[in-house]
Amino acid sequence: GENVEQHPSTLSVQEGDSAVIKCTYSDSASNYFPWYKQELGKRPQLIIDIRSNVGEKKDQRIAVTLNKTAKHFSLHITETQPEDSAVYFCADLRGNEKLTFGTGTRLTIIP
Amino acid sequence: IAGITQAPTSQILAAGRRMTLRCTQDMRHNAMYWYRQDLGLGLRLIHYSNTAGTTGKGEVPDGYSVSRANTDDFPLTLASAVPSQTSVYFCASSVGGWSDTQYFGPGTRLTVL
Repeated sequence: GENVEQHPSTLSVQEGDSAVIKCTYSDSASNYFPWYKQELGKRPQLIIDIRSNVGEKKDQRIAVTLNKTAKHFSLHITETQPEDSAVYFCADLRGNEKLTFGTGTRLTIIP
Repeated sequence: IAGITQAPTSQILAAGRRMTLRCTQDMRHNAMYWYRQDLGLGLRLIHYSNTAGTTGKGEVPDGYSVSRANTDDFPLTLASAVPSQTSVYFCASSVGGWSDTQYFGPGTRLTVL
């Protein structure tokens, strides 16, 4: 199947500003969309996820929105801090098939 | 509680050699996974196991084999390593199905010369 497309590949934002990363999927059967954060030299860790029956989910400074019509979902980080600097991966799950990851976005927070 | 561990941390291997990467979890998770991470390509699934005794192929299975003799261990074997298998390998586990949180190990950096 097709991979989920993730943009941008790199993103730099001023500390305190917001960051948005977008992923586009192809299969309308996709029903689960997690986001993983990987700090430099560390392992990926789940930070937030959303299922297809929900349009938005928030957890403090991070949120994920899902647009099923357009087949895209986005990660929003507000009031960015230096510790938000990392590589972020989206993923999608089509039906009960395998989870497929995007190619990652390297986010740099400029002090 | 260790969570999920991998060994070795890093390895340099001559092409043609056989190598087994080890992965152990103590969380009693049913599902385990192996990914490779290459710059610009993200995380790609090599093999997975939904439960002990079963395995399945992922996106890039060629040149790799796995076994799942018990719940805790999920070794990945490269039968005859090639330079294109140079990568960082992550093992992960989850309680059950694909929509459960995957917990990743610390990774193994493998260089094939």
